[in-house]
Amino acid sequence: LAKTTQPISMDSYEGQEVNITCSHNNIATNDYITWYQQFPSQGPRFIIQGYKTKVTNEVASLFIPADRKSSTLSLPRVSLSDTAVYYCLVGGGRGNYGQNFVFGPGTRLSVLP
Amino acid sequence: SAVISQKPSRDICQRGTSLTIQCQVDSQVTMMFWYRQQPGQSLTLIATANQGSEATYESGFVIDKFPISRPNLTFSTLTVSNMSPEDSSIYLCSARGWGTSGAIVRNEQFFGPGTRLTVL
Repeated sequence: LAKTTQPISMDSYEGQEVNITCSHNNIATNDYITWYQQFPSQGPRFIIQGYKTKVTNEVASLFIPADRKSSTLSLPRVSLSDTAVYYCLVGGGRGNYGQNFVFGPGTRLSVLP
Repeated sequence: SAVISQKPSRDICQRGTSLTIQCQVDSQVTMMFWYRQQPGQSLTLIATANQGSEATYESGFVIDKFPISRPNLTFSTLTVSNMSPEDSSIYLCSARGWGTSGAIVRNEQFFGPGTRLTVL
């Protein structure tokens, strides 16, 4: 199983770009990388998913280098409402539906005014 | 995205009793999973709920303690058996793999709101 590490916490100011990196040195060939946002007393909310290179959607970008041993979630112009815990999830298997899901420890992002 | 609901949202139980948590998805999904999240911690996968067959458990979790059912493609239950205070946690179900017109086109994993369990 992939073991993942993330910074425990980060601070930012409103309007700044925030980059959170997750390390997953022993990621398997078929594993996806997914990022989630979690607010207190809620389930994780899907942000973005990728396998390699760069993926962008309306809320974030995900950068994955060629060796796939890390990934970086980029949040453009954060606001106070982006204060939450952010988790990376490795696993899932490309093209199949195996388990082996491993969540990172989570990064607590605090956005300051 | 798939909409996932769980019942109950929270419960307080006595030691030695059992609680069954229900998970309902608003569309047919390929896979359903159960996770545990202890206070202030990350999520840990308990098992994959397989439709029509026994669940697949992760290391450290056993069927006698966490029996799981999945009678169809939209519903699953997790039972926490013979509870102790150490079982106090948030239990979340998730779903993955659905589509339209019978084709699986979405691979993301979506989560329910969780069930907060306190065991006294």
